[in-house]
Amino acid sequence: AQSVTQLDSQVPVFEEAPVELRCNYSSSVSVYLFWYVQYPNQGLQLLLKYLSGSTLVKGINGFEAEFNKSQTSFHLRKPSVHISDTAEYFCAVSAINNDMRFGAGTRLTVKP
Amino acid sequence: GAVVSQHPSRVICKSGTSVKIECRSLDFQATTMFWYRQFPKQSLMLMATSNEGSKATYEQGVEKDKFLINHASLTLSTLTVTSAHPEDSSFYICSARPRNHYEQYFGPGTRLTVT
Repeated sequence: AQSVTQLDSQVPVFEEAPVELRCNYSSSVSVYLFWYVQYPNQGLQLLLKYLSGSTLVKGINGFEAEFNKSQTSFHLRKPSVHISDTAEYFCAVSAINNDMRFGAGTRLTVKP
Repeated sequence: GAVVSQHPSRVICKSGTSVKIECRSLDFQATTMFWYRQFPKQSLMLMATSNEGSKATYEQGVEKDKFLINHASLTLSTLTVTSAHPEDSSFYICSARPRNHYEQYFGPGTRLTVT
């Protein structure tokens, strides 16, 4: 079975500063990795996903993530955040024909 | 493409009554559907997995007689919360996945409040 650990429950950051949200995973098989964003009282929006190929994945809203197999990590980054990036971010892992497992979430708060 | 809808988006019911939530894949056939529950400020917890035409597989600790899941067609799954109680109040999210696919597509969620 797969599992995900998000290393930070809360990340406060000032507007226009860079940010990194950390995610480690565990699995005995090849996996697919995802980052989702959730705004209050809304569903999940896919930011980006890693399936195979290039380890640097670019997503929407200026986010990117790097898959590191040796460190079993998939950290999310953005070079310059905006107030509108304030939200809950979830890292998730799945294997083909398996269910998806989510991390506990990281609350990103962007301050002016 | 790959749109999943949920209905209703919000529902308030009285304690002891039952409520049904629908999850539909609008533009693809979903051989597998998943139901998640999310409490405030917490992550999504998988409740059950259902394959079209088969009985749902429930996660440990989820009462299958309380949370009835039906996946009658390749585009529709329903979750019925029977004899709802205030502690069942939560955000319920479904997702759908085509056969042999790696990605799930999520619905917008249903906010259930039991008074």
